[in-house]
Amino acid sequence: EVQLVESGGGLVQPGGSLRLSCAASGFTLGRYWMHWVRQAPGKGLVWVSRINGDGSSTTYADSVKGRFTISRDNAKNTLYLQMNSLRAEDTAVYFCTREMSPADVWGKGTAVTVSS
Amino acid sequence: DIVMTQSPDSLAVSLGERATITCKSSQSVLYSSNNKNYLAWYQQKPGQPPKLLISWASTRESGVPDRFSGSGSGTDFTLTISSLQAEDVAVYSCQQYYSTPSTFGQGTKVEIK
Repeated sequence: EVQLVESGGGLVQPGGSLRLSCAASGFTLGRYWMHWVRQAPGKGLVWVSRINGDGSSTTYADSVKGRFTISRDNAKNTLYLQMNSLRAEDTAVYFCTREMSPADVWGKGTAVTVSS
Repeated sequence: DIVMTQSPDSLAVSLGERATITCKSSQSVLYSSNNKNYLAWYQQKPGQPPKLLISWASTRESGVPDRFSGSGSGTDFTLTISSLQAEDVAVYSCQQYYSTPSTFGQGTKVEIK
């Protein structure tokens, strides 16, 4: 079964850091672009970042550029999102997705709350 | 960035009746070289991730009931649920994947009247 499982979310103070993980199973991670998408409470979906199959190319939304870093370890079948200098507006459920053209597989998401 | 605007924001429809959601993009998402619209529709139930229903504006994913259909081209698109069932209560979102960043509509909440 093709599956994505996120972890690493939680409560963090403004200015703090978190590292999200997304474990993939049922498919060869390295063959796909992978993405992070977030959804603030009661709001719509917002694309955050993407990384190509071998990790050599990354792109970020303007709102997280310079603060978030996407990476992957294909040997471990895992995608990561390092989030630094977190702000209240980063509070959301973070989903990892396979591809975006369109996004055919989604994890269940991990919740990040930035609050003092 | 391409802005995706859905209407209405919410919709209440009687069981068995038709539900229609529209999505408008701020620029065309039709790629002329292959004549494909880079537009998808997702269904999201409370506490769940989005589920891909339709890609390329009108191609239903495997396992999606045929009461769901997508249409449109260029900048104007429609998702139709021909006969609303109780299990269709959800938020529906459109997405363009024509250009980076990929962007989503704000979502339309479908409820039972």
